Amino acid sequence: GQQLNQSPQSMFIQEGEDVSMNCTSSSIFNTWLWYKQDPGEGPVLLIALYKAGELTSNGRLTAQFGITRKDSFLNISASIPSDVGIYFCAGQASNTGKLIFGQGTTLQVKP
Amino acid sequence: EAGVAQSPRYKIIEKRQSVAFWCNPISGHATLYWYQQILGQGPKLLIQFQNNGVVDDSQLPKDRFSAERLKGVDSTLKIQPAKLEDSAVYLCASSLDRTTDTQYFGPGTRLTVL
Repeated sequence: GQQLNQSPQSMFIQEGEDVSMNCTSSSIFNTWLWYKQDPGEGPVLLIALYKAGELTSNGRLTAQFGITRKDSFLNISASIPSDVGIYFCAGQASNTGKLIFGQGTTLQVKP
Repeated sequence: EAGVAQSPRYKIIEKRQSVAFWCNPISGHATLYWYQQILGQGPKLLIQFQNNGVVDDSQLPKDRFSAERLKGVDSTLKIQPAKLEDSAVYLCASSLDRTTDTQYFGPGTRLTVL
């Protein structure tokens, strides 16, 4: 079945540092999404990418849809304590909307 | 606008018992999804409804799991009988239609099977 490999698995950084995480797939997706999940909550959509090569920003977050449509990365600039959480990439099947999630990147920010 | 509601938030049962989870999607959302999230992993789709019809249940363990959305609004997910490996968070999500990218997730039900 389809699988997404997300890395790194976890990161522990200092407040103010930039963060980068990425996701690769064995399959092509037409849409890539990045979600954040806080403890005890469901995932919340951060950024959606619809075209190969697309670079999209949302505040301090920037994400890119890889040219091959098999990968994506997420950057967080100038991290703050509230960035703590688990970040998931997800590829979406265009015919059904089904999401395939990566394993997640756990981010911890030291004040 | 109210979000996706789920209940209960937590449930502890013994193996071989039955359990049911309830989801109320955002008003007007035609598509409803149930995901299983095992600790340390990303959510995995169990079943997808479009109104009251099933679109995808290929990863639902049908020998023990069942789900329904009789009136195309609320949905219930049942496990009977539960196994230890069913311990997970069960997330419900909804979207306007199945091609819409934004799936709004509920807070989930954390199930512990002892």
